[in-house]
Amino acid sequence: DSGVTQTPKHLITATGQRVTLRCSPRSGDLSVYWYQQSLDQGLQFLIQYYNGEERAKGNILERFSAQQFPDLHSELNLSSLELGDSALYFCASSGGAGGSYNEQFFGPGTRLTVL
Amino acid sequence: EDQVTQSPEALRLQEGESSSLNCSYTVSGLRGLFWYRQDPGKGPEFLFTLYSAGEEKEKERLKATLTKKESFLHITAPKPEDSATYLCAVQPVTGNQFYFGTGTSLTVIP
Repeated sequence: DSGVTQTPKHLITATGQRVTLRCSPRSGDLSVYWYQQSLDQGLQFLIQYYNGEERAKGNILERFSAQQFPDLHSELNLSSLELGDSALYFCASSGGAGGSYNEQFFGPGTRLTVL
Repeated sequence: EDQVTQSPEALRLQEGESSSLNCSYTVSGLRGLFWYRQDPGKGPEFLFTLYSAGEEKEKERLKATLTKKESFLHITAPKPEDSATYLCAVQPVTGNQFYFGTGTSLTVIP
């Protein structure tokens, strides 16, 4: 158990809909990262927050957005969902600002299925 | 362009048969290289961080090494419980992004 929690574990929805994925980092960690993992593309970095502020942005679509709240939990919002958005979404946390010298601890993931 | 390539894609070993996994990277200045283990349907589990060429780290049957262009994960006398996908990631000095390879799926046969 990494100490990172994600809800829900599974999510099934229809195209065009909007969903919210939630992540609680390990106690004391200030950085939260979001990743998308699909079979054909591997693990893709989406976005990082540090203590409530966006710190780095990767291959995140404009239909996707995220935020980190004062209690440090984070939410990833996915809107106008398409079939291709079906994937595992992971959250990871670390203690550092850039995460550069800190290992990331991954949550169990949310499996999103768009029908 | 920053990128990570792992090889082989899949590897089958007999129990006790040692081997190595490769991670080649192209990055404009390396801040850190990371190895993770991922079991099916679970999140990646951190194994090692390497910072500079020549560095080595060990944990049980695993040993990670780093050169200026690639990293190796050596598995000595593997056991069936070592079966998993092993992921390599790099972080460049510019920015806070992490770039992951597609992984090597390791199967250790009893």
